[in-house]
Amino acid sequence: NAGVTQTPKFRILKIGQSMTLQCAQDMNHNYMYWYRQDPGMGLKLIYYSVGAGITDKGEVPNGYNVSRSTTEDFPLRLELAAPSQTSVYFCASSAVNTEAFFGQGTRLTVV
Amino acid sequence: DQQVKQNSPSLSVQEGRISILNCDYTNSMFDYFLWYKKYPAEGPTFLISISSIKDKNEDGRFTVFLNKSAKHLSLHIVPSQPGDSAVYFCAAILTNTGNQFYFGTGTSLTVIP
Repeated sequence: NAGVTQTPKFRILKIGQSMTLQCAQDMNHNYMYWYRQDPGMGLKLIYYSVGAGITDKGEVPNGYNVSRSTTEDFPLRLELAAPSQTSVYFCASSAVNTEAFFGQGTRLTVV
Repeated sequence: DQQVKQNSPSLSVQEGRISILNCDYTNSMFDYFLWYKKYPAEGPTFLISISSIKDKNEDGRFTVFLNKSAKHLSLHIVPSQPGDSAVYFCAAILTNTGNQFYFGTGTSLTVIP
C-alpha cells in the first residue's frame, strides 16, 4: 500500500522553464491537495480537488495549474518557472473530515 | 491572512517531562482539528485529531484539548521522548468548502535527553 506518491523528489529548473509535479494516491480518496512550504512558514494551499474533474484554487494558485482526470492522479503544472516558486511541494489526499495523507515532497529550486 | 496560528516557533523540553504545544484559530466554522508531526525531508504524518463537538481526545502519550470559546487548541505529550523531536503543525478543516485544510506555521520541538 503506497499511499501518496510524488515524483520527482528533487528538481532544479531554470527561470522560464515548465514542469509537471506528479502525484498519485491508491486510497480511493475523493479529496486531493497541493501545498507548498517555504522556510519558516506553514503549508500554503495551492489547489485542491473534491473529485475527478473538479478542481479549485487555494490560497496561492498564481503560476500553477492542475487537472484531475482520474481519482488517483492530481498533477501540478508550473508554467514559466520563477525564483519565487522555489519551495518544497507536498501532495496530499483525504476522505471527508478525516486526516490527510501526505507524500514525501518535491524540493524544487528555480535558478 | 493566517487563520490558524502557532505563536511559538520552537520549544525545548527535558526528556520525561510534559510538552505542551499551542495553536489558535480565527474561524469559528472549523469543524475538525488535527496535529501533524514532520521530520526533515519527509512529508507531514498524522498524529491525532479532534472533532469540534468534543473538548478532549487521547491517544497514548498524546492528548489534544479544544477550547472552542477561546478558539484554542493544544497538544500535550507526556512523557516526552527524544524521538518526539520534530516540527508539529496544527491544522483545521472547513468541510463545507471542499474539505480544505488550514495549517499553522509549525512549532519545532526539541526533547533533550
